[in-house]
Amino acid sequence: QVQLVESGGGLVKPGGSLRLSCAASGFTFSDYYMSWIRQAPGKGLEWVSYISSSGRTTSYADSVKGRFTISRDNAKNSLYLQMSSLRAEDTAVYYCARYMILPGDAYRAPSDYWGQGTLVTVSS
Amino acid sequence: EIVLTQSPGTLSLSPGERATLSCRASQSVSSSYLAWYQQKPGQAPRLVIFGASNRATGIPDRFSGSGSGTDFTLTISRLEPEDFAVYYCQQYGSSRTFGQGTKVEIK
Repeated sequence: QVQLVESGGGLVKPGGSLRLSCAASGFTFSDYYMSWIRQAPGKGLEWVSYISSSGRTTSYADSVKGRFTISRDNAKNSLYLQMSSLRAEDTAVYYCARYMILPGDAYRAPSDYWGQGTLVTVSS
Repeated sequence: EIVLTQSPGTLSLSPGERATLSCRASQSVSSSYLAWYQQKPGQAPRLVIFGASNRATGIPDRFSGSGSGTDFTLTISRLEPEDFAVYYCQQYGSSRTFGQGTKVEIK
């Protein structure tokens, strides 16, 4: 069965850095676009970034552009999010999610499987 | 950026009743790139509907989606106890954005 397991969250000071990981299993990881989506405590969902199946194409929300970097290692079935210059407003649960494979543009797809999330807290 | 506005914010209904959730977009959502997710407390979101009207794998047929352009609807024909949750719409045609959510609570 499809499994996505995030790790790497924790408490970090404003201006600090953190690297999140997502271990994928139960499917051919290298076939799928992947994304990070976050949810601030008690708030709604916010898409953060996606990466193509090969890793060659990435996209970011304006709120994190220039501070976050998404990457993947298909040999290790792993997705990453390097976060730097962290701010209080980056505090959230970060979910790793898989894009469905549908006809048409691969990046225009909903997320059909999600991990359980990892909490990032930015506070002094 | 396409802004999605969901209404109502909270829907108080009893099991067996019909739930109708609305999602309105600030601009037309191309090719019905509209999805609905269900989220229960402490859990990750679960895909319910994609392409405005297609049920995701394992979703019971009491869930249905409709709409096009700027107006979309999620209908739960007869609420079961496990359906009480927060529902989010998402457009994925132009970047991607989520609505603010509708909470379906037990009356």
